[in-house]
Amino acid sequence: QAVLTQPSSLSASPGASASLTCTLRSGINVGTYNIYWYQQKPGSPPQYLLRYKSDSDKQQGSGVPSRFSGSKDGSANAGILLISGLQSEDEADYYCMIWHNSAWVFGGGTKLTVL
Amino acid sequence: QVQLVQSGAEVKKPGASVKVSCKASGYTFTSYDINWVRQATGQGLEWVGWMSPNSGNTGYAQKFQGRVTMTRDTSINTAYMELSSLRSEDTAVYYCARNIPSGGTFDYWGQGTLVTVSS
Repeated sequence: QAVLTQPSSLSASPGASASLTCTLRSGINVGTYNIYWYQQKPGSPPQYLLRYKSDSDKQQGSGVPSRFSGSKDGSANAGILLISGLQSEDEADYYCMIWHNSAWVFGGGTKLTVL
Repeated sequence: QVQLVQSGAEVKKPGASVKVSCKASGYTFTSYDINWVRQATGQGLEWVGWMSPNSGNTGYAQKFQGRVTMTRDTSINTAYMELSSLRSEDTAVYYCARNIPSGGTFDYWGQGTLVTVSS
């Protein structure tokens, strides 16, 4: 079972909100991890969005709009990237990442379509 | 402004080695770690390893242990990643990215280097 699992795709309408999940493997407690989120558009390297550990321990990337935010769902053992007020330019691949067992681990990525 | 500029595309035969460079500018090279991340066409991101330009310390993903070597030349602010015993599955775009030591904020990335392994 992968360390981090993301849904492969998600669609949402302009102006709506999208909630992208990053589920940690059973036995790995989401509460103890910083969850990092990256956005990648075709033909470009990833861009850092934000880090989330808790409401009191989080960091927004430089220049990243506040409509991108992070949270956790402890019951689902998942990190969440919430994008509100979706815009066409938000259409991209989104990756979560954690530091686990002395290695950076990426989720498989979610392709977000805004239509 | 901060920039990471990588070397150009490479085509290698199976079993060969490749060395990709990442030249940093616009910041103090030894103050940030350099990570290498790869991405096969149409696939997700895969972390290869990290290096401290300050100390030369490295850490590699288990998958690449024994095949990857990360080095640096602080006189020219350049980091290198060498991958040996190449196989077709190593065909990918390789990115360098900087981060604050022990942090996961990869805030600046290189443009990527396509490495193609083909007979």
